[in-house]
Amino acid sequence: DGGITQSPKYLFRKEGQNVTLSCEQNLNHDAMYWYRQDPGQGLRLIYYSQIVNDFQKGDIAEGYSVSREKKESFPLTVTSAQKNPTAFYLCASSRTRGETQYFGPGTRLLVL
Amino acid sequence: DQQVKQNSPSLSVQEGRISILNCDYTNSMFDYFLWYKKYPAEGPTFLISISSIKDKNEDGRFTVFLNKSAKHLSLHIVPSQPGDSAVYFCAARDAGKSTFGDGTTLTVKP
Repeated sequence: DGGITQSPKYLFRKEGQNVTLSCEQNLNHDAMYWYRQDPGQGLRLIYYSQIVNDFQKGDIAEGYSVSREKKESFPLTVTSAQKNPTAFYLCASSRTRGETQYFGPGTRLLVL
Repeated sequence: DQQVKQNSPSLSVQEGRISILNCDYTNSMFDYFLWYKKYPAEGPTFLISISSIKDKNEDGRFTVFLNKSAKHLSLHIVPSQPGDSAVYFCAARDAGKSTFGDGTTLTVKP
């Protein structure tokens, strides 16, 4: 089945630690996205990538980094510079940028 | 400045009745609008969309209406079913970038 997978489902971060969230898609989509959702709020764009080896900052990129070495994969690293990382993180992909986005199941990040 | 607003955080309706979820936007450059449905601890799933050149799009029990002059979008679900209980996000697209509202939690009571 084609789809988007995210792992892990839950992730715990210690103070000062970098953690990496995985996102993989087998939909052959060119564009991939990372969003953050906080309680009672909508989705805010962290980073997006339109094509392999290219990515752009979204609205709230500070404290995050990404890579796009393969078309299928778009990992997100939450660095120690992100002071309020507790949130639900959603990865999405679309055939090209601007087309309908399809979302993964999400990763909940908690700080110990 | 929030460009896409869903002013009702929650909505409760009886099974079999109509659910109407509303969304207002401020950016006149938005050219495509979407509704997503989200269950707790899951990713949003695409529900229905509408281009800015249309004023209505229907898919089964779901109909989206667009009023460009009022910059208003609505999703009608009829008849509502308990399985429709979820958070509904509207999203608007401009130059490839999608902006999401904060969501409305719909509860359909049996």
